[in-house]
Amino acid sequence: TQLLEQSPQFLSIQEGENLTVYCNSSSVFSSLQWYRQEPGEGPVLLVTVVTGGEVKKLKRLTFQFGDARKDSSLHITAAQPGDTGLYLCAGAWGANNLFFGTGTRLTVIP
Amino acid sequence: GAGVSQTPSNKVTEKGKYVELRCDPISGHTALYWYRQSLGQGPEFLIYFQGTGAADDSGLPNDRFFAVRPEGSVSTLKIQRTERGDSAVYLCASSLRASGGKSSNEQFFGPGTRLTVL
Repeated sequence: TQLLEQSPQFLSIQEGENLTVYCNSSSVFSSLQWYRQEPGEGPVLLVTVVTGGEVKKLKRLTFQFGDARKDSSLHITAAQPGDTGLYLCAGAWGANNLFFGTGTRLTVIP
Repeated sequence: GAGVSQTPSNKVTEKGKYVELRCDPISGHTALYWYRQSLGQGPEFLIYFQGTGAADDSGLPNDRFFAVRPEGSVSTLKIQRTERGDSAVYLCASSLRASGGKSSNEQFFGPGTRLTVL
């Protein structure tokens, strides 16, 4: 059972375009993380958001945690081919494991 | 290298066989996690160790799955009587201490072992 639903599941865009990926749940999380995973590798942490309404920026990536701490979004500005990969959100309930979302597979076409 | 390593990288076995998957965490990391990632899905939590003991094994799907970490470092995930539905990438992660999703306790993932059960 996936507690976190991500949308869209697949996204193919041209280099230079903007995009937003959504992560939604009916559960409240103590924190939420975003990862990027490339083929044959494990996920790599991009950011952790903790406070409801929090916004974090990482170069061209902007992450937002919903006010109710149930959902999050990832916005990429001026996408580059190097942004191609599987983007995963993961929620924690203050416990010691992560519950991952279904993933969004992004392809940026040069 | 200094990262999490997993062996083998690929394992092909026949239905009904026994397999062992190994994880070498980052040196000094006390917490170790196993996840399973099926094709097109996000990783699914299996079990978490704090030191030598399994602190949470609620994600193990059934009693064919077992994991150990006898010396608090290397861990082995053991699967008995494998079934075709066990085919997936098995990921291991470690963190300095219990994560709780806090950035100061980031989980570092290995490349995974791709298990194929024929």
